[in-house]
Amino acid sequence: QSVLTQPPSVSGAPGQRVTISCTGSSSNIGAGYNVHWYQQLPGTAPKLLIYDNSNRPSGVPDRFSGSKSGTSASLAITGLQAEDEADYYCQSYDSSLSGSVVFGGGTKVTVL
Amino acid sequence: QVQLVQSGAEVKKPGSSVKVSCKSSGGTFISYAISWLRQAPGQGLEWMGGIIPILGTTNYAQKFQGRVTITADESTRTAYLELSSLRSEDTAVYYCARGGGFTLKGSSSFDYWGQGTVVIVSS
Repeated sequence: QSVLTQPPSVSGAPGQRVTISCTGSSSNIGAGYNVHWYQQLPGTAPKLLIYDNSNRPSGVPDRFSGSKSGTSASLAITGLQAEDEADYYCQSYDSSLSGSVVFGGGTKVTVL
Repeated sequence: QVQLVQSGAEVKKPGSSVKVSCKSSGGTFISYAISWLRQAPGQGLEWMGGIIPILGTTNYAQKFQGRVTITADESTRTAYLELSSLRSEDTAVYYCARGGGFTLKGSSSFDYWGQGTVVIVSS
């Protein structure tokens, strides 16, 4: 059971907008800790997509955006493309249990 | 450009130990945290712990306390993960990544990743 909760899957047609939620609690996202997002294509290492809630590293298309409010965060993908089909993970910090990096369980995005 | 290159696949017996290496090139090695994460087959990402080479300080996930040791050699720019008392549930792809240091705003992101090392635990 992951500390951060993500939907197992979301889907959308090419060109559509999809969002992935990441729900935490008062000891992680709700405590104000930053949220980061990763994209993982099959058989490859994860790639940083969004850092510090809403910032894109150089080279990441502006179709990807992140936001955070209260105990949740969201990743939005606009203008969905076939190459966006992948697993997506959110990450934050949890102050319970002596402090730890925590992840969501991952969301599979399917392009219909 | 930062590159992290990990050692090759391992097959281990239950109860034994495994040591995986992660060699860094490009960028600054000692002042960033280097973390180890793993991903069991068909499962999500799990943080195991990390080290800040310049300080020599380590942080470990409570789940792995007592079983994991993370070290770094500044002279060779290499970080190591050693996991002992292996069991079948430790079968996974193990990744090193730059980042994961603890800050006032939580933990930093993982901006560079190794290619992953498959560890299989089987009798």
